[in-house]
Amino acid sequence: QKEVEQDPGPLSVPEGAIVSLNCTYSNSAFQYFMWYRQYSRKGPELLMYTYSSGNKEDGRFTAQVDKSSKYISLFIRDSQPSDSATYLCAMSFSGNTPLVFGKGTRLSVIA
Amino acid sequence: DAGITQSPRHKVTETGTPVTLRCHQTENHRYMYWYRQDPGHGLRLIHYSYGVKDTDKGEVSDGYSVSRSKTEDFLLTLESATSSQTSVYFCAISESDSQETQYFGPGTRLLVL
Repeated sequence: QKEVEQDPGPLSVPEGAIVSLNCTYSNSAFQYFMWYRQYSRKGPELLMYTYSSGNKEDGRFTAQVDKSSKYISLFIRDSQPSDSATYLCAMSFSGNTPLVFGKGTRLSVIA
Repeated sequence: DAGITQSPRHKVTETGTPVTLRCHQTENHRYMYWYRQDPGHGLRLIHYSYGVKDTDKGEVSDGYSVSRSKTEDFLLTLESATSSQTSVYFCAISESDSQETQYFGPGTRLLVL
């Protein structure tokens, strides 16, 4: 079992929809959780960063961490065509320990 | 790209030749990382550095070596390139001490024929 599982999609939604992206993980020692967005032929860019359990909101984006279920989510409200990208979840144990990434979910928002 | 540059951005080489990729940062961050990204595998860590001359192996380090003689530069070397090393290589940096976030460079596309 891979440490971090993420459905690769592709996921296609109409503009304005609420998008839910998810990752599950197996190692309960993970403490820090991130979501990265990667446009085609670009490097990943940090979107959301959360420590331990709980919710974090930033504009149209909400990140949720449920450590009891080993499950993290990213919600995108009022999705836009510019949100079309691959979304990568990542997590680490502590400090600057290396990140472990999911494979990414490819999202297309159709106008 | 948070003051990170990678060179070259694209490279085509032949099996058996040595290849060196460079990552340069202007942020004075302590930690630097090399990843490869392949379809079906996502991002996988090759090597990382936690200071000048301090490096450690990642998940997929076989066939790769690294060096860091200055804070700003982190070099990745393929001693004898193989077709399985065809990939997109990303460098990342992270701030020391407090933040558990990494910022990525633009990537290098390497094709080994």
